[in-house]
Amino acid sequence: DIVMTQSPDSLAVSLGERATINCKSSQSVLYSSNNKNCLAWYQHKPGQPPKLIIYWASTRESGVPDRFSGSGSGTDFTLTISSLQAEDVAVYYCQQYSGTPTWTFGQGTKVEIK
Amino acid sequence: QVQLVESGGGVVQPGGSLRLSCASSGFTFSSYGLHWVRQAPGKGLEWVAYIRYDESSKYYADSVKGRFTISRDNSKNTLYLQMNSLRADDTALYYCAKPTTGWPAPFDYWGQGTLVTVSS
Repeated sequence: DIVMTQSPDSLAVSLGERATINCKSSQSVLYSSNNKNCLAWYQHKPGQPPKLIIYWASTRESGVPDRFSGSGSGTDFTLTISSLQAEDVAVYYCQQYSGTPTWTFGQGTKVEIK
Repeated sequence: QVQLVESGGGVVQPGGSLRLSCASSGFTFSSYGLHWVRQAPGKGLEWVAYIRYDESSKYYADSVKGRFTISRDNSKNTLYLQMNSLRADDTALYYCAKPTTGWPAPFDYWGQGTLVTVSS
């Protein structure tokens, strides 16, 4: 099974500053049929279900602010929040959805305000 | 709008059984595979099981294989998770989740979850 490892486990960032979360997969999540990476990012706030924010590693879900961006390919991926807002405080998870046939999440990264 | 509503959670003793349901609306239920995902207290998200739209394929996490069974009733727009031989480490909030259109696909809609507590 593909193992997803995020770093760091938590980070504290000042309002308006950049937050960067890394995600590494134990094997490539490249989908050969469209040459895209099966990598998603979710935002999870207490008392709410997770929210999809990025898929195909870099495609922003509809309605997600453009301060959120995803990058990377193969086995190394990054979620960047360019200017942290108070409402961005949450736990963020990466997920591989190649369906190999399992779907695995990273352990999560908690983002807080410094 | 898409709605997923889980039910069936509760407190059960170790070794016991429970069946979760996920009632769905707002999309063509019979056209989508569906997932169960759980989150243990203080822990991260863990994918549990997947069922294809026509039940022709079912996949499970190793942690639940042989104990949990995913099924669906397309006439009732309802997804199920039969959980047997429950253990303390199955205690979690269980979500049903719908993937986006296409394959492979991330999960764009989630229910609010139903809480399962395994305790004597």
